[in-house]
Amino acid sequence: NAGVTQTPKFRILKIGQSMTLQCTQDMNHNYMYWYRQDPGMGLKLIYYSVGAGITDKGEVPNGYNVSRSTTEDFPLRLELAAPSQTSVYFCASSYSKSENTIYFGEGSWLTVV
Amino acid sequence: RKEVEQDPGPFNVPEGATVAFNCTYSNSASQSFFWYRQDCRKEPKLLMSVYSSGNEDGRFTAQLNRASQYISLLIRDSKLSDSATYLCVGSLMFSGGYNKLIFGAGTRLAVHP
Repeated sequence: NAGVTQTPKFRILKIGQSMTLQCTQDMNHNYMYWYRQDPGMGLKLIYYSVGAGITDKGEVPNGYNVSRSTTEDFPLRLELAAPSQTSVYFCASSYSKSENTIYFGEGSWLTVV
Repeated sequence: RKEVEQDPGPFNVPEGATVAFNCTYSNSASQSFFWYRQDCRKEPKLLMSVYSSGNEDGRFTAQLNRASQYISLLIRDSKLSDSATYLCVGSLMFSGGYNKLIFGAGTRLAVHP
């Protein structure tokens, strides 16, 4: 019962470093998403993908990049980490284009110092 | 103004109490609404959908008032295990024809013995 799996769970980055948050799902979902959650704020959509090879920006894409080479994987890349990117990141997937049936990964806690 | 607003709480209630949360939304085009539950340092999980006619799931009752643009969640006979943050969520048709979720920041509930 893997569902949506994201790694790493915790990471500390220095300003200017790069890293990739990995996300994989085994439910054969076409739609995948990356959100960030800051204290006192609702989840914000960073990027989403409607299928392999297709990605698009969400509300807060600046400073991030994504790729979707397979149905299962949707990695999120931070190119030049900044303190403003300190947050909790959630990957999610859904079967249909309605996010009503969305499944979240367990989250990745990222601190940029 | 936030698109979905909630009282952050915390609501501190004794076991067995009845507690109600409200949430307001600003975009009248919002189509569907949900309550998600998020435990500390965990991912959000769907608690229930919200229908205009009101709907009940065990001890939980959700209501939607489109005229006043608010959603409510009533929890009866609170249990210690109900302690969590409750996220009010609306959905909007986004570019690409899919329904995007708009998350409130959440209301924290603490149930004590």
